[in-house]
Amino acid sequence: GAVVSQHPSRVICKSGTSVKIECRSLDFQATTMFWYRQFPKQSLMLMATSNEGSKATYEQGVEKDKFLINHASLTLSTLTVTSAHPEDSSFYICSAGGQGRQPQHFGDGTRLSIL
Amino acid sequence: AQSVAQPEDQVNVAEGNPLTVKCTYSVSGNPYLFWYVQYPNRGLQFLLKYITGDNLVKGSYGFEAEFNKSQTSFHLKKPSALVSDSALYFCAVRPSSNTGKLIFGQGTTLQVKP
Repeated sequence: GAVVSQHPSRVICKSGTSVKIECRSLDFQATTMFWYRQFPKQSLMLMATSNEGSKATYEQGVEKDKFLINHASLTLSTLTVTSAHPEDSSFYICSAGGQGRQPQHFGDGTRLSIL
Repeated sequence: AQSVAQPEDQVNVAEGNPLTVKCTYSVSGNPYLFWYVQYPNRGLQFLLKYITGDNLVKGSYGFEAEFNKSQTSFHLKKPSALVSDSALYFCAVRPSSNTGKLIFGQGTTLQVKP
């Protein structure tokens, strides 16, 4: 089946650091990727839709200057958490594909811990 | 507003017994329906989907789901649960007019006891 690779799986860093998370579709091209945030034992919250070659579409309440998304190729989207603070600590998950009848395929997530 | 509901936070079953995880939705038109499973500190794994056709959909790992249009439900089932099925399960719906976004239920933790 389709594979989505997300890296790194875990990040621990100091407050004020910027952190970049990569999401790659390994065996298919993805014009659209999605970035989610998940709090413990809760559902996924869609943060933004990443569009290849154009600006990302952010959900209401998500700061686009805080969470920078770049989708420069058909197989790679990146999420950069700028000047991260402890409240940004969370589990971030990306997905790719899922147009029409096809399911979205998810990465394994990134556990971000800001000290 | 469009929504997906999983009314049970947790479902407990004994190994070998049948299991059901419930999902209802409030989405206009003929949406696409999906079930995903999440193990701790992992992403979501696709289990099965309903597009059109038979109301009973078979998926991965012996799971199946029953679609009921009149009740707008898409319940996940398995005839005989395994301890390894213990995980967090999400129902998700994509409106047919949508560009790809999924609407997720809040998730149901399945606990299968030996």
